[in-house]
Amino acid sequence: DTAVSQTPKYLVTQMGNDKSIKCEQNLGHDTMYWYKQDSKKFLKIMFSYNNKELIINETVPNRFSPKSPDKAHLNLHINSLELGDSAVYFCASSRRRVQGNTEAFFGQGTRLTVV
Amino acid sequence: GENVEQHPSTLSVQEGDSAVIKCTYSDSASNYFPWYKQELGKRPQLIIDIRSNVGEKKDQRIAVTLNKTAKHFSLHITETQPEDSAVYFCAASDRGRRALTFGSGTRLQVQP
Repeated sequence: DTAVSQTPKYLVTQMGNDKSIKCEQNLGHDTMYWYKQDSKKFLKIMFSYNNKELIINETVPNRFSPKSPDKAHLNLHINSLELGDSAVYFCASSRRRVQGNTEAFFGQGTRLTVV
Repeated sequence: GENVEQHPSTLSVQEGDSAVIKCTYSDSASNYFPWYKQELGKRPQLIIDIRSNVGEKKDQRIAVTLNKTAKHFSLHITETQPEDSAVYFCAASDRGRRALTFGSGTRLQVQP
C-alpha cells in the first residue's frame, strides 16, 4: 500500500488555468505538508497542516490555496497559473512527537508544467 | 527562521571510496537533523537522522555526526557503490517548527 499518494503525477496546463493536486496519506500521521522543488532541486516548504489546522504558510502567493478536509488529506489548488509555477510539488506527512519532528514521508511528486 | 547551507553541490568519487557531505544550520533551537536521498525522478527518502542529544549515529555504511556547538552536521558514506549515486539533502527543524528546512542538495556521482 502506498503510504503517501498524490495525483496527478504529471500535469501540463496553460497559463491562466486553475488546477488542483490531491494528496492522501494512510499512515495515521497528524501533520501534512506541501513542498515545492524547482528546476535547481531546491526543496522549499509551502504549507504545513496539523490536524487540519494551517500551521505554516511560507510567503506563498495567495493563488495557492491548500485545503485539508480531514487529517488524511491535503489538497493544493492553484489559481491563474503562471510559467514560474512550473516545478515538482511534493506532498509529505509526519507524526509529531513530544521531542519534535519525526521522519517526513513524501509522495511521488506532481510535475507541473505551465505552458 | 532556520537557514541550512550544504556543501559541496556536486561530488564525484570512485567506487569504494568514502563520501562526505557537510551542512551548517543557523537556528540553535534546531534539534532534529535528517538526511534524505533522492534518485532521479523519485521522491526524497530518509536514509538516516539524528537528534541533538546524540553526537553520532551509524547505520551500516552510512553515518551522521553532529556538532551542536559549531552548528555543523555531516553525512559520511563509506565503501560507496554506483547505486549510491543520487542527490542527498540535509535538513533541520526545531521542536516548534512544523516543517523541515532543507539544504540545497549534493549530487553524488559514484564512478564504477
